[in-house]
Amino acid sequence: AQKVTQAQTEISVVEKEDVTLDCVYETRDTTYYLFWYKQPPSGELVFLIRRNSFDEQNEISGRYSWNFQKSTSSFNFTITASQVVDSAVYFCALTGGGNKLTFGTGTQLKVEL
Amino acid sequence: ETGVTQTPRHLVMGMTNKKSLKCEQHLGHNAMYWYKQSAKKPLELMFVYNFKEQTENNSVPSRFSPECPNSSHLFLHLHTLQPEDSALYLCASSLQAPSDTSTDTQYFGPGTRLTVL
Repeated sequence: AQKVTQAQTEISVVEKEDVTLDCVYETRDTTYYLFWYKQPPSGELVFLIRRNSFDEQNEISGRYSWNFQKSTSSFNFTITASQVVDSAVYFCALTGGGNKLTFGTGTQLKVEL
Repeated sequence: ETGVTQTPRHLVMGMTNKKSLKCEQHLGHNAMYWYKQSAKKPLELMFVYNFKEQTENNSVPSRFSPECPNSSHLFLHLHTLQPEDSALYLCASSLQAPSDTSTDTQYFGPGTRLTVL
């Protein structure tokens, strides 16, 4: 069975602060895929990143960065210099292949002025 | 239109009504999905279609009836729903429904917020 845990239910930060969203996963698959999605108040899940289990390189995209560590089964997401527009619910998801994504319960990020 | 669109965005219906949700993808994908997002619960996969054929039904009650006339359109027909069916219904698409050892990124629409009275 697969499981994704996002222990942080809600995080509040002040604009320009850095914030890290945690994601811990469980899987017995040797090959698997991890995702992050952003869900703003409008409802749409916006795809942010996909990572394969055999690629442990960290990734940076603008103010976003992801830290994948197989040793701790974690795939954490950091937003540098947060902005009000970053306010949303962020979901981490996992699949061992196929179409069935296992989602975490999400982390509500509030960025205030 | 770009990406994945869903209509209506909001729907209120009584338990005896019949309504339909519509999803359209403009990405040239071949697989489409229905998800249910309830408050305080993880997203639940409901149905998967690959090249218009249903490949997964995740034990969804028969009061939800999907239809996929072509690879670009997906419908969810609703009848005699219960108040606990109130949720955000999200449609997604991917290039194709992948094999057991690979995956394709799913792209989501904005969802239909359904309230059953």
